[in-house]
Amino acid sequence: QVQLVQSGAEVKKPGASVKVSCKASGYTFTSYGISWVRQAPGQGLEWMGWISAYNGNTNYAQKLQGRVTMTTDTSTSTAYMELRSLRSDDTAVYYCARISGWSFDYWGQGTLVTVSS
Amino acid sequence: SYVLTQPPSVSVAPGKTARITCGGNNIGSKSVHWYQQKPGQAPVLVIYYDSDRPSGIPERFSGSNSGNTATLTISRVEAGDEADYYCQVWDSSSDRGVFGGGTKLTVL
Repeated sequence: QVQLVQSGAEVKKPGASVKVSCKASGYTFTSYGISWVRQAPGQGLEWMGWISAYNGNTNYAQKLQGRVTMTTDTSTSTAYMELRSLRSDDTAVYYCARISGWSFDYWGQGTLVTVSS
Repeated sequence: SYVLTQPPSVSVAPGKTARITCGGNNIGSKSVHWYQQKPGQAPVLVIYYDSDRPSGIPERFSGSNSGNTATLTISRVEAGDEADYYCQVWDSSSDRGVFGGGTKLTVL
């Protein structure tokens, strides 16, 4: 069965960086893209960007350009999302999701990133 | 950038039909996907390509899309349907995903 398992919760100081992992299993990793979606406390879903696991092509949300980098390691079927220059409003649960037909059919369990001094 | 508009809340009595709308400029020309999210859980895809249901999603969930509005319809609503619902499209012009603001469904 398809599973996306994310790394554990993180606490970071403002200005620091965080890197969240998403390990995929149960399907051919390079046949699907991965999107990252975040959700601030009490807020809605925010699309952050996507990466093709086939060729590594990426596209990011305009507001995160320059601060976010998405990568994959096909040898371990793992996707990564790094966010730099963290601010308090980056506090959120971060999800990875498999892209199928431009919908998100499987999701990771979420990773809480807390930015606090 | 493309904007999707959802009502913040919808209330319905058990056994009745709930309709959650998602508005967007000529959204009928795009494929709309819907997600259900319960507190403390990851979202779950409940409708894709406007009206298709993933395996395991009850037939009570259906979708439609035309003109400037897409609609998620939940028939014979149950207490367990209480959740936040989000619509989503892929904006091909920017190659980016877009979510609506979400609708909280309350079962009275």
